[in-house]
Amino acid sequence: EVQLVQSGAEVKKPGESLKISCEGSGYDFTSYWIGWVRQMPGKGLEWMGIIYPGDSDTKYYPSFQGQVTISADKSITTAYLQWSSLKASDTAMYFCARHSGNYGNYMDVWGKGTTVTVSS
Amino acid sequence: QSALTQPRSVSGSPGQSVTISCTGTSSDVGGYNYVSWYQQHPGKAPKLMIYDVSKRPSGVPDRFSGSKSGNTASLTISGLQAEDEADYYCCSYAGSYTRVFGGGTKLTVL
Repeated sequence: EVQLVQSGAEVKKPGESLKISCEGSGYDFTSYWIGWVRQMPGKGLEWMGIIYPGDSDTKYYPSFQGQVTISADKSITTAYLQWSSLKASDTAMYFCARHSGNYGNYMDVWGKGTTVTVSS
Repeated sequence: QSALTQPRSVSGSPGQSVTISCTGTSSDVGGYNYVSWYQQHPGKAPKLMIYDVSKRPSGVPDRFSGSKSGNTASLTISGLQAEDEADYYCCSYAGSYTRVFGGGTKLTVL
């Protein structure tokens, strides 16, 4: 079964760093783009960026460039989303998703989401 | 880049059909045949319903169909059922390996 398993909920203070994870299984992890989608409380989906684990090529949506870092460790089939200094506005649910098709244009497998709460 | 434009809400009675529109620009929806649609129930992860404008993944009922004309894509749900009540999001490829979502549409089954 193809699945993405995300790490558990996090509660952090502003200024702290954080790295959340997404482990893929049941498919060739190095042959599909995998990316992250943000959903702030009560709001819609926002596409953040993707990484191709085969060669670590990474693309970011402009508004997220420089705000987060996407990485992957293909040896353990895991993708990561990282912040160096969290803000209260980073409070959200974060989904990872496998991207398929030409240019990885659609998201066919999703993780269940990781809730990140940033509060002093 | 701005989010694609969707109606905030639509509604229909069981058995009826509803259509959700998704308007972008020639840089996203109009420029590529790479529009996808996602269904999200409260507290759940999104689910792929349509990809490449009009293709249905295995397991998605044929009551769901997609189309595109110019800079506007549409999702039509025919024979509405109670379980179709959810939020729906369109997403388009926008070049340079980036994508953009619509703001989401809440479907209410009356």
